[in-house]
Amino acid sequence: EDQVTQSPEALRLQEGESSSLNCSYTVSGLRGLFWYRQDPGKGPEFLFTLYSAGEEKEKERLKATLTKKESFLHITAPKPEDSATYLCAYQYQGAQKLVFGQGTRLTINP
Amino acid sequence: DAGVTQSPTHLIKTRGQQVTLRCSPKSGHDTVSWYQQALGQGPQFIFQYYEEEERQRGNFPDRFSGHQFPNYSSELNVNALLLGDSALYLCASSLVRQGNTGELFFGEGSRLTVL
Repeated sequence: EDQVTQSPEALRLQEGESSSLNCSYTVSGLRGLFWYRQDPGKGPEFLFTLYSAGEEKEKERLKATLTKKESFLHITAPKPEDSATYLCAYQYQGAQKLVFGQGTRLTINP
Repeated sequence: DAGVTQSPTHLIKTRGQQVTLRCSPKSGHDTVSWYQQALGQGPQFIFQYYEEEERQRGNFPDRFSGHQFPNYSSELNVNALLLGDSALYLCASSLVRQGNTGELFFGEGSRLTVL
């Protein structure tokens, strides 16, 4: 059965302390793997799309990578404003919908 | 450039009632998707509309229905509300011509509470 699992559920870091969030997926015919950021009381905000294993995308302190079974969101020297819930989602071939994981709630303490 | 706008932002209903939620997509976008997000969970796909037709539907009962208008705006209707329908309802828009239908622009959602 196709599914996506994110870990950890919650992560608390000190400002400047780098870490990685994990998104494990089992999908037949993956079209794309997506990362979104969601602030409390807001809708998700698009960050990255990854299409094939080995692909990497970067934006400021964030870098997303993709293997055949996992995607990682690396956060380098985070700041308090990086605190949010990070969602990964997949889309399989021929489908319109995104299937989201449950998210990782990231807190960066100053 | 206006983003995705949703209304109302909050509403309270009782079991058995009906609700209509509204969405205006980002300027220039032609496709609207609706998602339900329960507290502490990721969004779940309800359905997507393009050219005023439902393109794909998620695993939701027929109590959930929608519509897309010629100006690309959309409505989500939920009949016979249940306590379990309490959630944040998110509207997302995209542009089919872009090809990447996974890059969605979300509104801030409508928070529905069913008592």
